[in-house]
Amino acid sequence: GAGVSQSPSNKVTEKGKDVELRCDPISGHTALYWYRQSLGQGLEFLIYFQGNSAPDKSGLPSDRFSAERTGGSVSTLTIQRTQQEDSAVYLCASSRGGQETQYFGPGTRLLVL
Amino acid sequence: SQQGEEDPQALSIQEGENATMNCSYKTSINNLQWYRQNSGRGLVHLILIRSNEREKHSGRLRVTLDTSKKSSSLLITASRAADTASYFCATSRGDTDKLIFGTGTRLQVFP
Repeated sequence: GAGVSQSPSNKVTEKGKDVELRCDPISGHTALYWYRQSLGQGLEFLIYFQGNSAPDKSGLPSDRFSAERTGGSVSTLTIQRTQQEDSAVYLCASSRGGQETQYFGPGTRLLVL
Repeated sequence: SQQGEEDPQALSIQEGENATMNCSYKTSINNLQWYRQNSGRGLVHLILIRSNEREKHSGRLRVTLDTSKKSSSLLITASRAADTASYFCATSRGDTDKLIFGTGTRLQVFP
């Protein structure tokens, strides 16, 4: 079946603008995760959703970052008033939950000018 | 906020040689996963090893886990040029599924 998909593949934006990044998880996976990878910070956790539970937002770096997961499937990560330090590759993953394997999408490369 | 370190940071070998990468972490874990990343994009899952397991194999890959030393190793046997990539370990702990990644090892396999 299809893997995790993300869109757009690349996004260039100007400082101060808002951006939305989309993730389509593997069908049937109840858990969805967002991570980001930047040169200075490596791979870091942002947020994760598990079923109908409240999301774990402990990795979000500031209140400019938010995420939603609609209908237990598609998720959108929103960054408001982007800053240059937000430039990174944003990776989405999904799993069956319960400490099972996380499968990653191809990522969205965000560049804030 | 990375959980652990990987060494070496970079490794260069010839095709046919074996490559060993090590991962150390700081706290008790539920499981440890190894991923491969090509060209700085998506992560490809390689192996998941649970805290009560000591060794797992998958094709040319062998992973060991020593919870007393809080360390894991990934061995790639008979390496190929196509194995050139960055390799990351990632751990989950406690009652959360979120992964904490190591710093990664860049492997270069020369034909």
